[in-house]
Amino acid sequence: EAGVTQSPTHLIKTRGQQATLRCSPISGHTSVYWYQQALGLGLQFLLWYDEGEERNRGNFPPRFSGRQFPNYSSELNVNALELEDSALYLCASSLPDPVGGELFFGEGSRLTVL
Amino acid sequence: QQQVKQSPQSLIVQKGGISIINCAYENTAFDYFPWYQQFPGKGPALLIAIRPDVSEKKEGRFTISFNKSAKQFSLHIMDSQPGDSATYFCAARRAGNNRKLIWGLGTSLAVNP
Repeated sequence: EAGVTQSPTHLIKTRGQQATLRCSPISGHTSVYWYQQALGLGLQFLLWYDEGEERNRGNFPPRFSGRQFPNYSSELNVNALELEDSALYLCASSLPDPVGGELFFGEGSRLTVL
Repeated sequence: QQQVKQSPQSLIVQKGGISIINCAYENTAFDYFPWYQQFPGKGPALLIAIRPDVSEKKEGRFTISFNKSAKQFSLHIMDSQPGDSATYFCAARRAGNNRKLIWGLGTSLAVNP
């Protein structure tokens, strides 16, 4: 069974541009989570989608947005990129009502803003 | 404001030794405490988790100890192996429908052969 897949693996952008990251959850998982992992800052929660709706949002500015498609895949958009947006962006998925609450992570998309 | 404080930031252990990583939380409304393991170039993966009605949980060489009154929980890795070298994250989840995980900043573990 395929795990959580993310694309692209690496992305290089310049300040002010927009970045789009994509995530495909494990089959049968309806919840998708986005995290930012910057060096030394651990995992910072960005967004949680479930059944196509945004359920929760972390302390990030509105230029971080996303959506979940009918097939439960998800997209994270970052507008007006800033240097400090450079990080590993991790997507995770879970069952609708996970027993134990386990999140399954992808390998991430490395965003570099120059 | 970091609601889950993890220590140490880095840890070096000899093969066969015991690795101990500690986490402390501030909010009593947490109902689930997982530990995740992350290897370089990979996403985190669930290692072991505990709920507050249990004081200890063991899975193989990995043990979580939970002290509800002190609001602390720790991960013990017995007989540490070089293959255990990774970054370990503790987390805590708020009770209710929020389901938001609050993460520690991680501990980089190196097990020397």
